[in-house]
Amino acid sequence: DVQMTQSPYNLAASPGESVSINCKASKSISKYLAWYQQKPGKANKLLIYDGSTLQSGIPSRFSGSGSGTDFTLTIRSLEPEDFGLYYCQQHNEYPFTFGSGTKLEIK
Amino acid sequence: EVQLVESGGGLVQPGRSLKLSCAASGFTFSNYGMAWVCQAPTKGLEWVASISTGGGNTYYRDSVKGRFTISRDNAKNTLYLQMDSLRSEDTATYYCARHLKGVMDAWGQGASVTVSS
Repeated sequence: DVQMTQSPYNLAASPGESVSINCKASKSISKYLAWYQQKPGKANKLLIYDGSTLQSGIPSRFSGSGSGTDFTLTIRSLEPEDFGLYYCQQHNEYPFTFGSGTKLEIK
Repeated sequence: EVQLVESGGGLVQPGRSLKLSCAASGFTFSNYGMAWVCQAPTKGLEWVASISTGGGNTYYRDSVKGRFTISRDNAKNTLYLQMDSLRSEDTATYYCARHLKGVMDAWGQGASVTVSS
């Protein structure tokens, strides 16, 4: 199985700042990485897929980069609604595997 | 609007069975692969199983193979997860998700399953 190592585990930032979350795959997954946001009481939301393709309806302050084994989610100019949990997931092969999550908190 | 609504969760004893359902609306259900993803309390997301558009192809994580069965009824726009021989480690919230080439682009709110005596 492809192991996904996500960092950092916790991240604190202020509205208006930019942050980056990293995800490393245990072997090459080409471009096939997705990012999701999880918030209490809301359905999980797809943000990015294929490494850098922004899902329809997601603000352009979210961006994804990387290929092979190393990927990054960047959120520019943080808004209050951006705080929550973020997960990466490889969608290159079965079994699909997720990173352990990053909790983005308000500083 | 795409909607996925899970039902059928609850408290069940180890070794017993439970069947989850996911009612889909707002899109052509038969055009999409579907999946179940779980999340144990205070843990991260784990993919459980996937099924192709027509139901002919199914895929499972190793820990549920032979115990869980994913199925679908395209006439009823409903996805199912039959969970047999349940173990305490199966305790989790189970999410139904629409998926296309492994990307889960729509999720339900989840159904809670607790396996305990």
